[in-house]
Order: sequence, then structure tokens, then C-alpha cells
Amino acid sequence: DAGITQSPRHKVTETGTPVTLRCHQTENHRYMYWYRQDPGHGLRLIHYSYGVKDTDKGEVSDGYSVSRSKTEDFLLTLESATSSQTSVYFCAISGSGIGPFNGFYGYTFGSGTRLTVV
Amino acid sequence: AQTVTQSQPEMSVQEAETVTLSCTYDTSESDYYLFWYKQPPSRQMILVIRQEAYKQQNATENRFSVNFQKAAKSFSLKISDSQLGDAAMYFCAYGENTGNQFYFGTGTSLTVIP
Repeated sequence: DAGITQSPRHKVTETGTPVTLRCHQTENHRYMYWYRQDPGHGLRLIHYSYGVKDTDKGEVSDGYSVSRSKTEDFLLTLESATSSQTSVYFCAISGSGIGPFNGFYGYTFGSGTRLTVV
Repeated sequence: AQTVTQSQPEMSVQEAETVTLSCTYDTSESDYYLFWYKQPPSRQMILVIRQEAYKQQNATENRFSVNFQKAAKSFSLKISDSQLGDAAMYFCAYGENTGNQFYFGTGTSLTVIP
């Protein structure tokens, strides 16, 4: 979707190195999310943000941190990458706009980042 | 946290036939939303269909329709006249206005056989 972009699309990194994934939206939506997708586990929430500098943990947040200094950007950082963090990472925005969460709109997803930690 | 269960990791269907993908969910809420997302090999997540819990009528979008059974907490996706382009991973998702996120099932991989 043109309103949300992720970078990079692919990345290979070494164990122990820091990695930052970027999510950028042009929709001015309040809610942004980072998920990881693994076979047999579906999509699991890592962290989400409900506004600038407002973030909260998801179910698999250990080893990850996030930052949101501007409405349009949501960064995911792996402080010290491990092989268990090899995954496909998706950013998503909720279609609720700038208001409270509204389940009607579902998510719009970025195109994903395939991260391999060797 | 709400749970969403997709009990069929893999399904297959002959081209032009009909297939039904299953999804069940657990909730104590009466007002919520259910979705099916499609993920083709391109990896892009695409919204297929949405169902509002307060609507009794089952949602339809062209060849895609749902069977929403609120009391049974069941939300299955029916794909009619299956096409090769329907081959993908399908995810069921649940969300509610009083929450702040959606919950996903583990996915069903659909193969379409020519």
C-alpha cells in the first residue's frame, strides 16, 4: 500500500549486531504496530504505538525496542540480534485516523522486511 | 488477550471448485470485527473481507463470502470458483473498539490445483 512503507525489504546481519527497521506512513494515522511472522505462529505483536512518544509492549517484546518521534515514523530496533529473531517483520497502521482505536477499519500493512540473523 | 484459532494449517482445492477455511475465536464482547486477510507469495497482506459482529447478514465480496456464527464464535471463509490466484496464506483476525490491536490466527495455506 502506497501509504505505508518499510525499509529495508531484506537484510542479513550477524549475531550480536544492532539492527533498526523503519516504518513510514503518509496517512497521519495514530496507531502503528510492529509484528513478526513465523511459520506456525502467525502474526505476533512486538510493540505498538498510540501516538508520538507513546508506545507499549506486545506479546513478544523481549529483545526489541521501538521509538516514535514523529507521527509518520515508527522504528523497531533489535539491540543485539540473535538467530531467534530471524523472521519476517511487518509494520501496520490502524485505519482509525487520528482518533481512538476503531476496529472497523482493520490494518493496512507494509510490504514486510525479511531479516536473517547469521 | 483474545485468541483466534485456525485449525487447518493447509488446504487444497481444485480450480473452479469451492473451499471453506475455518476460524474460531474467543471473546466475551458483543461488539467486534472480524477479518480475513490474504497473503500471496509476494508477502503483501491484503484485506479480503470484513464482518461486523452486530450485523447478522454474512459479508460477501464477489467470490468470497463468510459464514458468521456469533453464538458459536465461528467465522469461516468460503471461496467459490477458486482461481490459481487465490493460492495464498489466509489469516483470520479479530478486533474490537474497546481494544487497541487486532489478534490473528496462525494462518491456513491454500493450494489451488489446476
